[in-house]
Amino acid sequence: AQTVTQSQPEMSVQEAETVTLSCTYDTSESDYYLFWYKQPPSRQMILVIRQEAYKQQNATENRFSVNFQKAAKSFSLKISDSQLGDAAMYFCAYRSLTNAGKSTFGDGTTLTVKP
Amino acid sequence: DTAVSQTPKYLVTQMGNDKSIKCEQNLGHDTMYWYKQDSKKFLKIMFSYNNKELIINETVPNRFSPKSPDKAHLNLHINSLELGDSAVYFCASSLSAVSNQPQHFGDGTRLSIL
Repeated sequence: AQTVTQSQPEMSVQEAETVTLSCTYDTSESDYYLFWYKQPPSRQMILVIRQEAYKQQNATENRFSVNFQKAAKSFSLKISDSQLGDAAMYFCAYRSLTNAGKSTFGDGTTLTVKP
Repeated sequence: DTAVSQTPKYLVTQMGNDKSIKCEQNLGHDTMYWYKQDSKKFLKIMFSYNNKELIINETVPNRFSPKSPDKAHLNLHINSLELGDSAVYFCASSLSAVSNQPQHFGDGTRLSIL
């Protein structure tokens, strides 16, 4: 079974600074998908960024980018120029290509942005 | 135009009661899910349906029974509610079961058992 570990329960960053959230996972599969989701206090889960394991190039979405290290099974999220609206809980998720596409979520990292 | 809508948003009820949560998606997706998020914010999958067929059934008490009348709807019925059932329940959908497309989540239903 796959497991996803987010080792930082809480992180804080100064507005306009950069922060990196860590995520590691354990799998025996060679192909899979990885996602970062954001859950603000409003409770809605929102996609931040995704990465296909077969792609070597790291995904980027505006101020959000990932550092995907397949051999190390690491998938960290970098937020540049942090904004107050980035404050939320961030979940790393692994999606299997077998096992009916089951998604496994990490325990989340709460990000605080200080003005 | 809400993509994934679930009702009700809040549900307060007493132990032992039976309740249902409804979910509908208008995205044309084939796959729908139920997740449970507990008080520590841990998110765990409960069930997944693909084109009305159950494809994921995690270790969930059989008091929980999902039903998918069509691929746009996935409901969750819970019998004999217990204190430990208090949580936020999220419905989600995705284009297909195995896809690089993300899951789209509803706003959640906060279930509180008195």
